[in-house]
Amino acid sequence: IVMTQSPLSLPVTPGEPASISCRSSQSLHNNGYNYVDWYLQKPGQSPRLLIYLGSNRASGVPDRFSGSGSGTDFTLTISRVEAEDFGVYYCMQALESRLSFGGGTKVEIK
Amino acid sequence: QVQLQESGPQLVKTSETLSVTCTASGDSISGYYWYWIRQPAGKGLEFIGRIYSDGRTNYNPSLMSRLTLSVDTSKNQLSLRLTSVTATDTASYYCARGEKVAGGRWHYFGLDVWGQGTTVTVSS
Repeated sequence: IVMTQSPLSLPVTPGEPASISCRSSQSLHNNGYNYVDWYLQKPGQSPRLLIYLGSNRASGVPDRFSGSGSGTDFTLTISRVEAEDFGVYYCMQALESRLSFGGGTKVEIK
Repeated sequence: QVQLQESGPQLVKTSETLSVTCTASGDSISGYYWYWIRQPAGKGLEFIGRIYSDGRTNYNPSLMSRLTLSVDTSKNQLSLRLTSVTATDTASYYCARGEKVAGGRWHYFGLDVWGQGTTVTVSS
């Protein structure tokens, strides 16, 4: 399954909203769930889980992060970007055991 | 809360074998799927394979001929072995926790715990 993210780069002013899109080459919907996750990776760190199964926030993730979408089109939205939110965001499909990731979206300070 | 720590040689010679160990602390590895993912410097994330605590595996087809994943529940450790390495295997290698299997049912909460990664350089 091919995961395609856009945009590649997203300059954002702190306090403003931001959205990242992810499209899959086939539907990720199965048994009532959308098998897509979102991760944030900061420089020199391992990825951190933000959203799983399309719209569920992981433990400790602020509620300014939300995931939406179904089937093949998904969106990660940050309601108000804070300084700690800058980094590279990846979507990932978990429908197949052979996981696959989007190419990443770099959210940077405008 | 479980913590994961990868370890292994930082430098491996071309055509030799890359070995990385992932040690879990704070909780048992039993009953979970464990994933291996790698990332070349400045690039994206690539699925290597996954292993269940009973040893069942799924591999990335592009690596299958060279890859072996194993688990030692007595040591709470996971291991990755990649043979005949080339420069294209140079990357940071991560282990991560996946699905929990309980009562015959799968419970997926994302790859919720990651190790800090270990960087391996392949060079002649």
